[in-house]
Amino acid sequence: NAGVTQTPKFRILKIGQSMTLQCTQDMNHNYMYWYRQDPGMGLKLIYYSVGAGITDKGEVPNGYNVSRSTTEDFPLRLELAAPSQTSVYFCASRPQSGNTIYFGEGSWLTVV
Amino acid sequence: GEDVEQSLFLSVREGDSSVINCTYTDSSSTYLYWYKQEPGAGLQLLTYIFSNMDMKQDQRLTVLLNKKDKHLSLRIADTQTGDSAIYFCAENPNTGNQFYFGTGTSLTVIP
Repeated sequence: NAGVTQTPKFRILKIGQSMTLQCTQDMNHNYMYWYRQDPGMGLKLIYYSVGAGITDKGEVPNGYNVSRSTTEDFPLRLELAAPSQTSVYFCASRPQSGNTIYFGEGSWLTVV
Repeated sequence: GEDVEQSLFLSVREGDSSVINCTYTDSSSTYLYWYKQEPGAGLQLLTYIFSNMDMKQDQRLTVLLNKKDKHLSLRIADTQTGDSAIYFCAENPNTGNQFYFGTGTSLTVIP
């Protein structure tokens, strides 16, 4: 009953470091998403993918990169971490024919 | 992106009804959603309503949709302390690839 799994749950990064947030889903969903959540700002879409090999920018893509080499995995890469990237990151997925999205538990990232 | 707005905070007493409101901008949204986020957890789908409906009831939850005013509300009857969470409204314009979320309303239930 795994669903959408994100790792790590918590991470502290220094300014300028890079890291990858991992996301995997075992539901064979075509669509996958990365959101960030900031207090009082709701969720903002960073990147999304409609299937393996296809990715698109969302509302706030700057400073991030993604790849989708398999249906299951959708990692989010932060290059040159900045304090503005301190946030909670959520990965989500949705089946092609479905109308609801399913979220992972979140990854808390602090950049100092 | 689309603009989905909610008030940030709501406090109610245990046993009272809670009403969480949301306004959205895209009249083409086929589905509108309510998600619940408990502390330290991801978002879980509570309920959704199809745009050709005015109301949907699911146990203690009632969703009301006013398409003319682009207004969505979530009523929780007999609110319990376990209902304390952040509630997000979301829309999915044209049943497309993107979902747009509101800022979230933090509901506090006072015992």
